[in-house]
Amino acid sequence: EPEVTQTPSHQVTQMGQEVILRCVPISNHLYFYWYRQILGQKVEFLVSFYNNEISEKSEIFDDQFSVERPDGSNFTLKIRSTKLEDSAMYFCASKGTGYSPLHFGNGTRLTVT
Amino acid sequence: KNEVEQSPQNLTAQEGEFITINCSYSVGISALHWLQQHPGGGIVSLFMLSSGKKKHGRLIATINIQEKHSSLHITASHPRDSAVYICAVTKGFGNNNDMRFGAGTRLTVKP
Repeated sequence: EPEVTQTPSHQVTQMGQEVILRCVPISNHLYFYWYRQILGQKVEFLVSFYNNEISEKSEIFDDQFSVERPDGSNFTLKIRSTKLEDSAMYFCASKGTGYSPLHFGNGTRLTVT
Repeated sequence: KNEVEQSPQNLTAQEGEFITINCSYSVGISALHWLQQHPGGGIVSLFMLSSGKKKHGRLIATINIQEKHSSLHITASHPRDSAVYICAVTKGFGNNNDMRFGAGTRLTVKP
């Protein structure tokens, strides 16, 4: 069965550095998402992306964050000038058209030191 | 107030028991999702529903739109069912993709 793949599985970075989290959605999917889960807390919606543009974003998704689909297969989340509180598990998800379920990647655990 | 509330927070059962996890929501939704999160952190979508009932193997999900309530049932529970079960809703309608998540129910099934 096709999968959503995320790399790296674990990223450690220093405060103030920029990180790029990478996702390869399922190939025929059209809707792409990023979510965040701080350790011990619930999953939070960050952003959705469709037709090469952001379709929805949460209040968490401020100017520090950006998303891109640079080459038709990868879907990236960039976090500029990371803060300690950005430490979390970041999940990518994708879905096909219409009323179809989400498919999640296994997540990238980001640790900001 | 949280838009998605789950109960219980933690649940311990003996193998073979029938399990029910409840979810209530307070916003207009286009779909409700039940997700399973394994100890390693990965998330799997179990069900997406907007009305009625769905069944997959030993799992059953129901939703009552009028009461804004959904339940996830597991029949003949097994230790491999041990995981965190998360209820989530897609808010609004049309192209709205904003999802809100419950805090999860940690299920432990003992042999």
